[in-house]
Order: sequence, then C-alpha cells, then structure tokens
Amino acid sequence: GIQVEQSPPDLILQEGANSTLRCNFSDSVNNLQWFHQNPWGQLINLFYIPSGTKQNGRLSATTVATERYSLLYISSSQTTDSGVYFCAVDQKTSYDKVIFGPGTSLSVIP
Amino acid sequence: DVKVTQSSRYLVKRTGEKVFLECVQDMDHENMFWYRQDPGLGLRLIYFSYDVKMKEKGDIPEGYSVSREKKERFSLILESASTNQTSMYLCASSLSHWGLVSRGTEAFFGQGTRLTVV
Repeated sequence: GIQVEQSPPDLILQEGANSTLRCNFSDSVNNLQWFHQNPWGQLINLFYIPSGTKQNGRLSATTVATERYSLLYISSSQTTDSGVYFCAVDQKTSYDKVIFGPGTSLSVIP
Repeated sequence: DVKVTQSSRYLVKRTGEKVFLECVQDMDHENMFWYRQDPGLGLRLIYFSYDVKMKEKGDIPEGYSVSREKKERFSLILESASTNQTSMYLCASSLSHWGLVSRGTEAFFGQGTRLTVV
C-alpha cells in the first residue's frame, strides 16, 4: 500500500519563528489534507490540497502531486500552533482509503 | 458545516464486555472511517465503509467489527474488549470521489472517544 512520510518528526520553535513541514507519499493520490490535532485530540482541518498552493492566514500549503510531496508553511508561529500536524492522503484505488502520515509534533515556546 | 459526532467523549469498560462506539455524520457522505490512535503509532485505519451495508478492512481490523445500516451512522464494535484496545478512537466521513469530478473529498473528523478497558 501507499507509504506516507512526514518530516521532521519533532520540531521546537521560538515564538515568532517560521517553519516548513514536509509530507512525502509513495504513490498517486486523489487528494491530500493537512490536519492539526489539538490538545483535546480533535483533528482540525487545515487544508484540502490535492495540488497547487493555498493560504489561510499565517499558514500556507503547497502540493506538487507529480513529485509526490506536500509542504505546510507556518509563519510567525504562536504558542497556540503547538500540537501534532498530520498529512493524510486518499490513495487512488477503487475505494477512498485515507492513510495518515506519522505526524510532526510541534512545540512553540514563548 | 459538516458535523461528525461520536457518541461518547470518554468511556471506561471492563475486559470481556461488548462495546459499541457510534458515529453519526450529517452531510450525506458516502464514506465513513474508524481509526485508532496510539502514542508512537499514529492513526491506524481499522475499518471503512463506502456505502450502506458495505465495509472494508483497514490495516488493523482484528478484534473489531463494524455496522453501517444507515448512511449517516457507522458503528464500531468490540466484541470482547481487551486491555490492548485501550486507545483513542476517531471517526471520519467524506464524499466519494466516484461521482462529480468537481466534488471535493475532504475528510472530516469527530471529536474522538478515549476508551479505557480495565
């Protein structure tokens, strides 16, 4: 089956710093999403981005489907950005099977 | 807004009990999913369903079964709960991509159920 990798696994940032999170996937996908898991465990949708670039405030994402990777940019990080960031892909099979990467754990310190 | 609701936020059950975790979505999504999340292991797919009464095994179906009698509801069943099933369980739903090409297939998650088996 499809493999999804994320890097780095852990990241510590000073408040105000910028960061780039990466997601690599091993096969063609129908779509790709980025999620932020909050301290209570809920997965919050950040971006639905099968290709191209999207921006939402201090966050933006780019997916290059032909090269099988996606990047999540966080600018001017805040302590509330802390948590785990997951990318998830819907692989191109008969069914919409959504597979998650292992996540990047981000800690933003004041 | 899409809403995915899981029946319980926290649940404590005894070993050997039959446990039902319920998930309801209100957006007429074809696909529904059950995952479990454990420290160091990420989110692993247990079962998914692409239509009423249809189900497919995910990566870790052992010890679980599912039921989808209505489109909006997807139940996860632990036939005989064991301590190694203590985990965070997450339900999700999405539209099928087999349809209008313009439709997005974004997945939406419920708030999660923290199950402890003692």
